[in-house]
Amino acid sequence: GQQLNQSPQSMFIQEGEDVSMNCTSSSIFNTWLWYKQDPGEGPVLLIALYKAGELTSNGRLTAQFGITRKDSFLNISASIPSDVGIYFCAGSSTSGTYKYIFGTGTRLKVLA
Amino acid sequence: DSGVTQTPKHLITATGQRVTLRCSPRSGDLSVYWYQQSLDQGLQFLIQYYNGEERAKGNILERFSAQQFPDLHSELNLSSLELGDSALYFCASSVGKVGDTQYFGPGTRLTVL
Repeated sequence: GQQLNQSPQSMFIQEGEDVSMNCTSSSIFNTWLWYKQDPGEGPVLLIALYKAGELTSNGRLTAQFGITRKDSFLNISASIPSDVGIYFCAGSSTSGTYKYIFGTGTRLKVLA
Repeated sequence: DSGVTQTPKHLITATGQRVTLRCSPRSGDLSVYWYQQSLDQGLQFLIQYYNGEERAKGNILERFSAQQFPDLHSELNLSSLELGDSALYFCASSVGKVGDTQYFGPGTRLTVL
């Protein structure tokens, strides 16, 4: 199925480091969502973005809706062990469809 | 807790069988979405219902079908099951406007033996 390009695919970082990941699309999106999924659990919504250029924070997490409307970024500051998991981006296009396209996920592992 | 409930949590069955997965959306949400997630894979959109009617279709096999009932709960029916159908099946719900936020349930893990 159709998916966004999400990078990196996986990351190993030291506790306390900052993390950056991004999603890019060939299509223009009007909404970006970022989710975190723990093994065997459902994705949990972290941040929702609705306007190009929008920068939104949720605790140590900050996400941005790219100006071109074709990309989005998620940053995690001062990572902690419980940040471990898979992070997914999801985009909804401007074509009037109601469904989201999901990124392939970034698997984050934090070394204590 | 997202407010979306799914049952059962686990399901083990044999090839060729038929199963039904159930989802109750968050209170006030009119849209229900179904996704399939195979091992270590991303989320594949299957189908969406809005207020009882099919609104969007993704990569859903003909052996699979879904419906949304008047009380807005939804069921995903999987028939003639194959080994490759083993996966996590997630339901998500939203208010139902274009681009609104989706909230996911805890998923049903289906194992086909």
